[in-house]
Amino acid sequence: SQQGEEDPQALSIQEGENATMNCSYKTSINNLQWYRQNSGRGLVHLILIRSNEREKHSGRLRVTLDTSKKSSSLLITASRAADTASYFCAGGGADGLTFGKGTHLIIQP
Amino acid sequence: NAGVTQTPKFQVLKTGQSMTLQCAQDMNHEYMSWYRQDPGMGLRLIHYSVGAGITDQGEVPNGYNVSRSTTEDFPLRLLSAAPSQTSMYFCASSDRVGGYTFGSGTRLTVV
Repeated sequence: SQQGEEDPQALSIQEGENATMNCSYKTSINNLQWYRQNSGRGLVHLILIRSNEREKHSGRLRVTLDTSKKSSSLLITASRAADTASYFCAGGGADGLTFGKGTHLIIQP
Repeated sequence: NAGVTQTPKFQVLKTGQSMTLQCAQDMNHEYMSWYRQDPGMGLRLIHYSVGAGITDQGEVPNGYNVSRSTTEDFPLRLLSAAPSQTSMYFCASSDRVGGYTFGSGTRLTVV
């Protein structure tokens, strides 16, 4: 079963705009991670937020975590064409990761 | 620093054949795991390992075996390939602190 459910499933925005993706999860987590996948390639780890953290930043990325609502959001600011990819949230740790189905983000030039 | 290396990149099998997908990491990571990804889906966990000599099943383990005789290597064996195992396979590794590093994947087709 999928741990996370990303919303929306697909998102198309203009270059330079901000993109926000949401993730809801089912069970308690120690941390939540976000990954990017370019078409046909492996996943790249973007950011990890621990259950005792509420917000984390990394460059143009901002992740929030609300454990009471079992939800997280990923904000990409000032989007670029190279940000076009699928984005997945995942929970887990030593026993592997459980992924959502992902949000496919398209940045229009 | 190669990270996580998966071989082969592409493979075509006939139904009933067996094969091993190789995965090696050079980061001395304790945790390793195998996933499959079907079109339009997220990744699903097949098997994982928390250290040499220790493996366990994930969400979709049927038809697959793993072993972890060394920290570096975590091969995935398909015992008797079926068309339902046509998928993209990813191996990943992690230390105790951060996120997972993924390999570039093996695209497997079973005919």
